[in-house]
Amino acid sequence: AQSVAQPEDQVNVAEGNPLTVKCTYSVSGNPYLFWYVQYPNRGLQFLLKYITGDNLVKGSYGFEAEFNKSQTSFHLKKPSALVSDSALYFCAVRDIGPGTYKYIFGTGTRLKVLA
Amino acid sequence: NAGVTQTPKFRVLKTGQSMTLLCAQDMNHEYMYWYRQDPGMGLRLIHYSVGEGTTAKGEVPDGYNVSRLKKQNFLLGLESAAPSQTSVYFCASSFGGGIQETQYFGPGTRLLVL
Repeated sequence: AQSVAQPEDQVNVAEGNPLTVKCTYSVSGNPYLFWYVQYPNRGLQFLLKYITGDNLVKGSYGFEAEFNKSQTSFHLKKPSALVSDSALYFCAVRDIGPGTYKYIFGTGTRLKVLA
Repeated sequence: NAGVTQTPKFRVLKTGQSMTLLCAQDMNHEYMYWYRQDPGMGLRLIHYSVGEGTTAKGEVPDGYNVSRLKKQNFLLGLESAAPSQTSVYFCASSFGGGIQETQYFGPGTRLLVL
């Protein structure tokens, strides 16, 4: 069965420091992988995705993620955190097998960037 | 271009009452989804649709019904609301495959069932 794990409920980082938000997945085939961000009282916003190609994916607001097939991971990274990056981050996977249309979301990681 | 919109934004129901949540998208997307978001549980898929006139069950479909009579609209119905359905409901839409695949989310509907 498909699954996504975000092992950290919360990540704290000082402003200006690099940040990493972890995600691991389990799917039967080759996955589509996504990161979304949710600000308070808002819907989810797309950050970046891995479909195929280069394992390092660059997205919005300076975020990037690295697809690691051997470790089944898709960690979100940013070289220098901003206070405005504080939000709830979700990793999601979609199995691209035939007849599959569902996304599976992780439980979310709250990122807190301290000034 | 409004993207994905949801109506209403907030609603309070009494146990046993019914209501319909409306999701509309103006991006000509084929696929539409309804999720619920509860603390510590992330987003869970309730129902989804891969095209006009089609619907399918997601992870937590019990107590909900959906309809997709028009491509741009996806309705979520609660026939007899229960306190366990207190949640924030998000609608999303997507093209439905390939390298363009990305879900676009609405702003959410906050539902309180007393």
